This record gives sequence, C-alpha cells and structure tokens, in this order.
Amino acid sequence: GENVEQHPSTLSVQEGDSAVIKCTYSDSASNYFPWYKQELGKRPQLIIDIRSNVGEKKDQRIAVTLNKTAKHFSLHITETQPEDSAVYFCAAEFGNEKLTFGTGTRLTIIP
Amino acid sequence: ETGVTQSPTHLIKTRGQQVTLRCSSQSGHNTVSWYQQALGQGPQFIFQYYREEENGRGNFPPRFSGLQFPNYSSELNVNALELDDSALYLCASSLDRANEQFFGPGTRLTVL
Repeated sequence: GENVEQHPSTLSVQEGDSAVIKCTYSDSASNYFPWYKQELGKRPQLIIDIRSNVGEKKDQRIAVTLNKTAKHFSLHITETQPEDSAVYFCAAEFGNEKLTFGTGTRLTIIP
Repeated sequence: ETGVTQSPTHLIKTRGQQVTLRCSSQSGHNTVSWYQQALGQGPQFIFQYYREEENGRGNFPPRFSGLQFPNYSSELNVNALELDDSALYLCASSLDRANEQFFGPGTRLTVL
C-alpha cells in the first residue's frame, strides 16, 4: 500500500549544528516529494520539494536529497537557528496528486 | 495574491450531528484537497476537487463528502459525527492538480 515512514520522531540539535530527517516510501511510481514545516497551532508550510528527475535540491540552509532506487529522501538543515524549531513532515505523491504524509519529526533547536 | 482561508476556525459538535467546513482557495488555484490531521499525526488525505469534480479519494467513509464551487472554493461535509472525527481539518489549494499544495490555517473540530 501507500506508505511513508519518517525518522526520527524527535530530534534535538544544538544551535548552529545540522539536522537530518529521513523518509522512506513504498511506491516506486512516486515522483514528487515535498517537505512541510508546521509550527505549533499553525498551518503546514511548504519549505522545499523535489521531483524524481532530480537527486538533490538546495535552498539556502535547506536541502533535500532523493534516492529513487532505495526509495528514500532526506531533509538537511544546516546552521540551525531557534526559529527552525517545529514539526517537519515529509510527503510523497501517490498518483492523482494525492499526498501521503509521514508521521512527523519534532525538531528542537537548543540555544 | 490571496492565500488559502478556512472557516470557521473552531467548532464544537456532538455525536451524530452534521458539520460543514469551508475553504477558499488561493487566488488563481483551481484544485482543493482536504486533509484530516489528528493530534500528533501527519495530515491524512480525504479527497481532492479539480474544476468542481472529485479527483481522488482517500480511505474515508461516505459520510465525508464535499463539493467545489465555480469560484473554486470548497466545502467539506461530515454527517453522523463520531468522537474520532475530532481533528484539525486542513484544505490545500493548487493549480491544475499541480503537486505544490498550499495549506489553509485549518478548522479545529471537537466532537463531544
């Protein structure tokens, strides 16, 4: 079935260090993988996405890598700042533009 | 450019009642997807509407229904509410079923 697994569920990182969140997906036909950031009580915000014809994409301190053969993709945040603290969700598109989300990673940046 | 809006912000209902939630898509977008987000979980896909037609449905019972209007705003209706329906309901809009979906602030539904 359509499934996205996300690890870790919680992550604490010292300010200035890097954070990495990993996801695996079940359907090899998936070709779109967005990442959302959700602060407490707020809407999920799209922070970066990647399509299957690209192996890596970067936007300032945020990067996403995709390994289609292994069916996994990762979010990398460098030089973390307190405002990066939030819950991060990965997702994969399983046909019909339906997004299936991971269970989320609560990232805490320690000042 | 106007972002995605939803109403109401919060809603309290009792078991067995019916509820209607509303979503206005981002300016220029013609596709609306609805998601249910239980506490501590990721959003779960309910269904998507594209140009007023249902375009895909997740694993939700028929008592979850929706529609999309000519101006591309959308409604989610839930009949015979159950306690487990308590959740944050999010809508997301996109252009031509494109993958980039932008979320509204959500409606927090509590069923007592």
